[in-house]
Amino acid sequence: EDQVTQSPEALRLQEGESSSLNCSYTVSGLRGLFWYRQDPGKGPEFLFTLYSAGEEKEKERLKATLTKKESFLHITAPKPEDSATYLCAVGPGGGSYIPTFGRGTSLIVHP
Amino acid sequence: NAGVTQTPKFQVLKTGQSMTLQCAQDMNHNSMYWYRQDPGMGLRLIYYSASEGTTDKGEVPNGYNVSRLNKREFSLRLESAAPSQTSVYFCASSEDKGRTDTQYFGPGTRLTVL
Repeated sequence: EDQVTQSPEALRLQEGESSSLNCSYTVSGLRGLFWYRQDPGKGPEFLFTLYSAGEEKEKERLKATLTKKESFLHITAPKPEDSATYLCAVGPGGGSYIPTFGRGTSLIVHP
Repeated sequence: NAGVTQTPKFQVLKTGQSMTLQCAQDMNHNSMYWYRQDPGMGLRLIYYSASEGTTDKGEVPNGYNVSRLNKREFSLRLESAAPSQTSVYFCASSEDKGRTDTQYFGPGTRLTVL
């Protein structure tokens, strides 16, 4: 059974204080790891897709990295507008193409 | 492009009432999904449709039915609502060319069952 565990559940940062969010996964043949951002009262919004270990992608203050067992979402010098819940999902191996989601990390950045 | 749209945005039902949640996408995607999101539980898949004319059960299908009306539209029906179905419901779509693809989500429907 595919499993995705995100840590920490909640993270509070001061503006400018860099940190990382973790997504650990167990899947039989990774076909893709996805990061989403979800603002309160809205649907998840796509950020990144990573397909192979060693791959990295960046967008503004966010950088996603992937190893064979986990992914990190690094937030550099965060701003209050980066406050949101960040969701990780993995695409499974085998014949199913349905991704499995983690429970998310709630990030609050204080000014 | 509007992306994925959902109606209604909010709904309050009494136990035993029925309703249909509507979802439409204008991205010509093949696959569509219905999720529910509850505090501490994350996103749980209710039903999905890999292509027009097909539907399959997800993790939590009991108490729900779906219809893939055409390539654009995928509806979720609650025949007899129960308080346990109070949740936020999200519709999503993806292109899915034979691989796990990025999902695009709608804004959600907030449902309360009294």
